[in-house]
Amino acid sequence: DAKTTQPPSMDCAEGRAANLPCNHSTISGNEYVYWYRQIHSQGPQYIIHGLKNNETNEMASLIITEDRKSSTLILPHATLRDTAVYYCIVRVASNFGNEKLTFGTGTRLTIIP
Amino acid sequence: DSGVTQTPKHLITATGQRVTLRCSPRSGDLSVYWYQQSLDQGLQFLIQYYNGEERAKGNILERFSAQQFPDLHSELNLSSLELGDSALYFCASSVLGVPTETQYFGPGTRLLVL
Repeated sequence: DAKTTQPPSMDCAEGRAANLPCNHSTISGNEYVYWYRQIHSQGPQYIIHGLKNNETNEMASLIITEDRKSSTLILPHATLRDTAVYYCIVRVASNFGNEKLTFGTGTRLTIIP
Repeated sequence: DSGVTQTPKHLITATGQRVTLRCSPRSGDLSVYWYQQSLDQGLQFLIQYYNGEERAKGNILERFSAQQFPDLHSELNLSSLELGDSALYFCASSVLGVPTETQYFGPGTRLLVL
């Protein structure tokens, strides 16, 4: 699986959009970009995933650049409950037997009141 | 609430002991994954089971073993415990265990080895 690079920490004002970048310059054509978050020491929570098109769900939007070498997770109206560590993960889509999630160090997002 | 349950929530034990952590996957999920989160290693994949069979293995120590039962719940057995085994242990589940599926995580078991 491709390696990802994320800033170690970010702050965002409550109510503003939080934009979390992820670099995955060695991503392959069959690899998806996944985002999970971990609030305090709770179990990681799935947020969103995508292959090449931008994706949106009730939690967030995922913007993937055309060359797929980087992506941005957008939390449109951040609340204090969004304070968490956010993990960007790249996973191979077709390699059966390799379904594990490989977590990096993630970005610690702090929402400021 | 992800629908994945783990017991116990907390476990305190001594070095050299053996413990069993239990995981019940979401209803309908056939695949179970175990992850370990320690302060120095971060979140690491240990092992995956699919419908009772081992599917994939990560950096799981030989002192650790797991199994998935016919009712699909899974147990992670940790033996000859060392101080460094103190960590959060998470179980996750997914329907078929294929890479594009979302994995849903349980609340974890916090293990403290004294």
